[in-house]
Amino acid sequence: GQNIDQPTEMTATEGAIVQINCTYQTSGFNGLFWYQQHAGEAPTFLSYNVLDGLEEKGRFSSFLSRSKGYSYLLLKELQMKDSASYLCAVRTDPSTDSWGKLQFGAGTQVVVTP
Amino acid sequence: DARVTQTPRHKVTEMGQEVTMRCQPILGHNTVFWYRQTMMQGLELLAYFRNRAPLDDSGMPKDRFSAEMPDATLATLKIQPSEPRDSAVYFCASGLTGVAYEQYFGPGTRLTVT
Repeated sequence: GQNIDQPTEMTATEGAIVQINCTYQTSGFNGLFWYQQHAGEAPTFLSYNVLDGLEEKGRFSSFLSRSKGYSYLLLKELQMKDSASYLCAVRTDPSTDSWGKLQFGAGTQVVVTP
Repeated sequence: DARVTQTPRHKVTEMGQEVTMRCQPILGHNTVFWYRQTMMQGLELLAYFRNRAPLDDSGMPKDRFSAEMPDATLATLKIQPSEPRDSAVYFCASGLTGVAYEQYFGPGTRLTVT
């Protein structure tokens, strides 16, 4: 079956660093995505990893290890506006569609405190 | 600034009524996704289309839900008859295969069935 796990909630102080882990067990793998979702709003794309290693994009970085079924999202220099839910999603089923559907984790609520 | 639009943004209806939600994907995008988000289940894929053809609707309760793309600028999701357990936020997302990997989400329709 499909299983994507991430912590439910994390709290950190403004200016600090937080690392959100995501582990997955899926049938087929064709990329891992991180999305940010503020309360009452739509998810917005943050990052995409398909090969092992670190992808850096400003204050946000995402890491992938395909052999371990593991990814993390690193948020540096936290700001109050970073308080949101962070969703890990795996793209699966590449055999039937060159751009397969996404399986989402439950999301990690990050709370940034002053 | 191209965006996915969804109507209505909010819908309150009584059990047994038909509900129709509409989505206008970003112009030029050829893939459309329908998701449902609840606190209990998180973000679930209901159906998706590529070039207006349905690729996968395995996440959708077939007896009451139907999804269509009458043309490239309109996707619809219907529930008939609606039930209280259908109360959720329904998101539409669109993307372009072979070019961009991310999906762009609309603002969602918040459905409440009483």
